[in-house]
Amino acid sequence: GAGVSQSPRYKVAKRGQDVALRCDPISGHVSLFWYQQALGQGPEFLTYFQNEAQLDKSGLPSDRFFAERPEGSVSTLKIQRTQQEDSAVYLCASSLVQGAGGYTFGSGTRLTVV
Amino acid sequence: DAKTTQPTSMDCAEGRAANLPCNHSTISGNEYVYWYRQIHSQGPQYIIHGLKNNETNEMASLIITEDRKSSTLILPHATLRDTAVYYCIVSGGSQGNLIFGKGTKLSVKP
Repeated sequence: GAGVSQSPRYKVAKRGQDVALRCDPISGHVSLFWYQQALGQGPEFLTYFQNEAQLDKSGLPSDRFFAERPEGSVSTLKIQRTQQEDSAVYLCASSLVQGAGGYTFGSGTRLTVV
Repeated sequence: DAKTTQPTSMDCAEGRAANLPCNHSTISGNEYVYWYRQIHSQGPQYIIHGLKNNETNEMASLIITEDRKSSTLILPHATLRDTAVYYCIVSGGSQGNLIFGKGTKLSVKP
């Protein structure tokens, strides 16, 4: 596709429910990032993939958060046993060139935990 | 990564130039300055980046001081659609992770 696609656009989950957020990067993009953005704040780094390898997951806030990119294209961010503090917009970004800026972001998934 | 300092908010009249400052006094030699903006309910959008020379593209110009401790993003003729939060980011690691601050909320007024 022409851009980074994220689905669903909105997700409401009951506390304790597991959720899965999907990111379709631009075809051929090597680097893929996940960010979390709380209301009124800038995006905060969660994790980074280079192709299928997860090179950095230092930003994942707890072991309830898990991300994968098994074939080096589509990525899924999974949150287990969601809690209210997980409510945020989850952004995915991709880049053609390893380690360079100029990333293309998706529109994000707004997760609301009730 | 080096931290940046930006004003919390700025106003600009439609049609005038918007000059957004950014301080990055601890920038190191191999780090680039990137600018992104985020319009409400959308993901951040890449604008421009530079190392030490001034840069210009169809969206904006980036002026970096000679000592590289500060920079200014210039939108030459601001429109109402340029109302957004503008993030100045310094990055240069091999991973290329971007660390966002709170940015500058630019309001373009008619």
